[in-house]
Amino acid sequence: DGGITQSPKYLFRKEGQNVTLSCEQNLNHDAMYWYRQDPGQGLRLIYYSQIVNDFQKGDIAEGYSVSREKKESFPLTVTSAQKNPTAFYLCASSILGAHQPQHFGDGTRLSIL
Amino acid sequence: GESVGLHLPTLSVQEGDNSIINCAYSNSASDYFIWYKQESGKGPQFIIDIRSNMDKRQGQRVTVLLNKTVKHLSLQIAATQPGDSAVYFCAENLSTGGFKTIFGAGTRLFVKA
Repeated sequence: DGGITQSPKYLFRKEGQNVTLSCEQNLNHDAMYWYRQDPGQGLRLIYYSQIVNDFQKGDIAEGYSVSREKKESFPLTVTSAQKNPTAFYLCASSILGAHQPQHFGDGTRLSIL
Repeated sequence: GESVGLHLPTLSVQEGDNSIINCAYSNSASDYFIWYKQESGKGPQFIIDIRSNMDKRQGQRVTVLLNKTVKHLSLQIAATQPGDSAVYFCAENLSTGGFKTIFGAGTRLFVKA
């Protein structure tokens, strides 16, 4: 089955620690995205990538970093500079183009210890 | 379950009734709209989409209506079932000057058996 796999489902971070969230897709999509979801709010874009080895900041990129070394993988690192990292993180992918829906993984819940 | 969806508008319907979920979008230049369904602990699932050159589109048990004059989008679910209980949110795509998708906060649908 084609889809997007995020791991782990739950992740805990200690103060001063960087953590990396995994996102893999086998849909052969060129575009991939990372969103943060907080209670009662719409999804907010952290980073996106439209092609391998290239990515752009979204609306809330501070304290996060990404890489896109392979088409199917787009890991997100939450650095210690992100002061409020507790949230539900969603990865998505899509065919390139303005009129294409995004397909989402089942998310990673990050909490501070 | 996830805390996504706290403090959202809620709609409660009886099983078998029709549901109408509304969304006001923000940008008159948006030209593509999507409805997503998000169940507790899961990522959003694509339901249906519509382009700005249309005012109605039907799927299986779902219909999306677009009123560009008042920047309003609605999702109608026919014969609502318990499995339809979830958070529903709309998204609008701006294709001018690059990529931009704006997500609404969502509406929680409860289906009473």
